[in-house]
Amino acid sequence: QKEVEQDPGPLSVPEGAIVSLNCTYSNSAFQYFMWYRQYSRKGPELLMYTYSSGNKEDGRFTAQVDKSSKYISLFIRDSQPSDSATYLCAMRPPLSSGSARQLTFGSGTQLTVLP
Amino acid sequence: KAGVTQTPRYLIKTRGQQVTLSCSPISGHRSVSWYQQTPGQGLQFLFEYFSETQRNKGNFPGRFSGRQFSNSRSEMNVSTLELGDSALYLCASSFSTSTIEQYFGPGTRLTVT
Repeated sequence: QKEVEQDPGPLSVPEGAIVSLNCTYSNSAFQYFMWYRQYSRKGPELLMYTYSSGNKEDGRFTAQVDKSSKYISLFIRDSQPSDSATYLCAMRPPLSSGSARQLTFGSGTQLTVLP
Repeated sequence: KAGVTQTPRYLIKTRGQQVTLSCSPISGHRSVSWYQQTPGQGLQFLFEYFSETQRNKGNFPGRFSGRQFSNSRSEMNVSTLELGDSALYLCASSFSTSTIEQYFGPGTRLTVT
């Protein structure tokens, strides 16, 4: 079993829809939770990150972390065709950990927003 | 500010050969991490360098190695290439080892035939 599980999709939604992307994880040492967006033939781009449990909002994007359930989500409101990309969740232990720099990624969810 | 640059962008090699990939981090960034991305395994951590020292290493065979220069530029080397080494190799830079944000380059697409 992988440390981080992510539904690969593909997920197709109409423009303006609310998109929900999710990951589950098994390593309780993870403290930082990131969401990356990767367009075709590009490197991943950091969208946002949260520390421990809670919510974080940035424009149309909201990240949620539920450490008790080992479950994280990314919500995209008013989705746009330009949001079409692969979304990757990633996690890491505390900075004090020797492996703090090592990100563990989910497999990515391919999202298409139809105009 | 220029982003992370990786060269070459595309590479085709034959099984058994070796290859060297290059990464120039964002100006002022001193930490460089390397990742391998494949359709089957996704993104996997290879190693991280900071101040010319390898700080962390992922679970890859010794054929995969790297180094970092005094100007923070980094190279990774894969010797005795195997078909399974075909992948997108991504470099990520950050200001220091205590910085959360990592910025990825566009990657080098390696094809082993």
